[in-house]
Amino acid sequence: DAKTTQPNSMESNEEEPVHLPCNHSTISGTDYIHWYRQLPSQGPEYVIHGLTSNVNNRMASLAIAEDRKSSTLILHRATLRDAAVYYCILRGTTSGTYKYIFGTGTRLKVLA
Amino acid sequence: DSGVTQTPKHLITATGQRVTLRCSPRSGDLSVYWYQQSLDQGLQFLIQYYNGEERAKGNILERFSAQQFPDLHSELNLSSLELGDSALYFCASSVGGVPTDTQYFGPGTRLTVL
Repeated sequence: DAKTTQPNSMESNEEEPVHLPCNHSTISGTDYIHWYRQLPSQGPEYVIHGLTSNVNNRMASLAIAEDRKSSTLILHRATLRDAAVYYCILRGTTSGTYKYIFGTGTRLKVLA
Repeated sequence: DSGVTQTPKHLITATGQRVTLRCSPRSGDLSVYWYQQSLDQGLQFLIQYYNGEERAKGNILERFSAQQFPDLHSELNLSSLELGDSALYFCASSVGGVPTDTQYFGPGTRLTVL
């Protein structure tokens, strides 16, 4: 099964951009790349997803490499509220079965 | 508040026992997912139901089972509990049952097996 690899932790200063990388070198053609984050003591929440093209929404941007073997979640201006564990997830089908594989996540610390 | 509810919030039980975790999806969502989050293994997908039918299976042990009822709520049954089953169990729901769906997660049930 395709897996994702993320750095264990990252730090950022408040109001600065943050680039969270994810490696998924064994991604298959039908896999979507999703990002979720988990705030302390809460369930994960959706951030963004994409297939091949870069994506933007009100929370973040997702930059996907041309070969799709890596992606980067971009928070344009980090706030203290963005401190969370960020998960890069592949969603797709294998042999007709849906798969939902979470990475180990990156713990983002935002410094005031 | 995601709109997904899970009960109970906390559960403490002994090894060998059986417990049932309950999940009510967001209004209008037909699909329910169960995940286990433990300290050493992170978030693991267990199983997905869509409109009462099992749609996808992940790393779910044979001692665990789930079902989705006609009113779309779901239950996760854990039996012959072991110390290693202590974890946070999350339920999520989505409108459809396909990989592009946004999943909305509940607050979780913390299970402690003594």
